[in-house]
Amino acid sequence: NAGVTQTPKFQVLKTGQSMTLQCAQDMNHEYMSWYRQDPGMGLRLIHYSVGAGITDQGEVPNGYNVSRSTTEDFPLRLLSAAPSQTSVYFCASSYSMADYGYTFGSGTRLTVV
Amino acid sequence: TQLLEQSPQFLSIQEGENLTVYCNSSSVFSSLQWYRQEPGEGPVLLVTVVTGGEVKKLKRLTFQFGDARKDSSLHITAAQPGDTGLYLCAGAAGGSEKLVFGKGTKLTVNP
Repeated sequence: NAGVTQTPKFQVLKTGQSMTLQCAQDMNHEYMSWYRQDPGMGLRLIHYSVGAGITDQGEVPNGYNVSRSTTEDFPLRLLSAAPSQTSVYFCASSYSMADYGYTFGSGTRLTVV
Repeated sequence: TQLLEQSPQFLSIQEGENLTVYCNSSSVFSSLQWYRQEPGEGPVLLVTVVTGGEVKKLKRLTFQFGDARKDSSLHITAAQPGDTGLYLCAGAAGGSEKLVFGKGTKLTVNP
């Protein structure tokens, strides 16, 4: 059972480039979310999904797009990378958020130069 | 405005000491969760508290959910170096489907 798999683990982008952070889970979880973690800021919610075909914005959605075409996958797209998007990104999934909490991936460390 | 306020932000103690970490909000939560995160890893769920006044124990860790479901605490008895890490509380307020996190308490337990 792999849990939540994030790829890549590390990435360096130039300002203005685009890329997709991949997230896949094999636990048949309906809930999935993307967070970014910055020093002193904690984990901030970017986008979340409560099921295939359903997504919504979190606290800091600007500059990011998501889609959820399958239960398993929840990719995060950076449209035009900016240095302010340098961060560690975590994907998480849950069967029932209130009762079971989230299972997190190991993160993607992104640097935008 | 941070929905969940955690205190203290940093805590450095000696092995064997007791400590308490707090998670406070002005909003009501249907449940609150506590996670621990180690450097280079994602957060790992420790516990979920659901009922106001609920107390849960996990070995030397005791978690309490406030009666009004607006706050929670984590108490560690006889801390060990292996307890070192970032402790995060999280919750979804008022039936929201957004799980938001506090900024965390960075705990260091010195041998």
